[in-house]
Amino acid sequence: EPEVTQTPSHQVTQMGQEVILRCVPISNHLYFYWYRQILGQKVEFLVSFYNNEISEKSEIFDDQFSVERPDGSNFTLKIRSTKLEDSAMYFCASTRMQGNAPTEQYFGPGTRLTVT
Amino acid sequence: KQEVTQIPAALSVPEGENLVLNCSFTDSAIYNLQWFRQDPGKGLTSLLLIQSSQREQTSGRLNASLDKSSGRSTLYIAASQPGDSATYLCAVRGSYIPTFGRGTSLIVHP
Repeated sequence: EPEVTQTPSHQVTQMGQEVILRCVPISNHLYFYWYRQILGQKVEFLVSFYNNEISEKSEIFDDQFSVERPDGSNFTLKIRSTKLEDSAMYFCASTRMQGNAPTEQYFGPGTRLTVT
Repeated sequence: KQEVTQIPAALSVPEGENLVLNCSFTDSAIYNLQWFRQDPGKGLTSLLLIQSSQREQTSGRLNASLDKSSGRSTLYIAASQPGDSATYLCAVRGSYIPTFGRGTSLIVHP
């Protein structure tokens, strides 16, 4: 069964460093998402991406964040200058489209980002 | 702004009980509502998706209903098993950013 994959599973970085989190969505899906979950808190939407551009973004997704689909398979989240409060689990998800609406979201296993 | 609330926050039951988990949302203009399961330290596993035009969906021992007009969904788990122990999340998708509830943490003890 196709699945969303994410690398790395755990990333440790120092404050102020740039990190890139990678995701490979399910191959026939067209809508991609990044979410984060701070330990013990709820899952929070960061950004969605459709047709090679950002579709929606939350207040969390500020200028320190960017997303890219550099080729036909990868979808990346870059954090330019990490802060301690960026420590969280980051999830990628993808959906296919049904008409004009996205359908069921499939999540990857997550990348645990630890900023020291 | 969409708000999603899940009740109860935690539930501990003996094996074999039938359970109802509740999810409520404030804005009824949704495309769909999806229920997930999350095991500790793991990703989210999709359980059921209900489109806005549907009233319910079933998968095995799970049944999810949707009442858009009252802004509520319930997840019914029949004959609970210890392997059902996890956090159950609901998420709504509409003309706004996807929004999750805080989840119901379920423990089913033998």
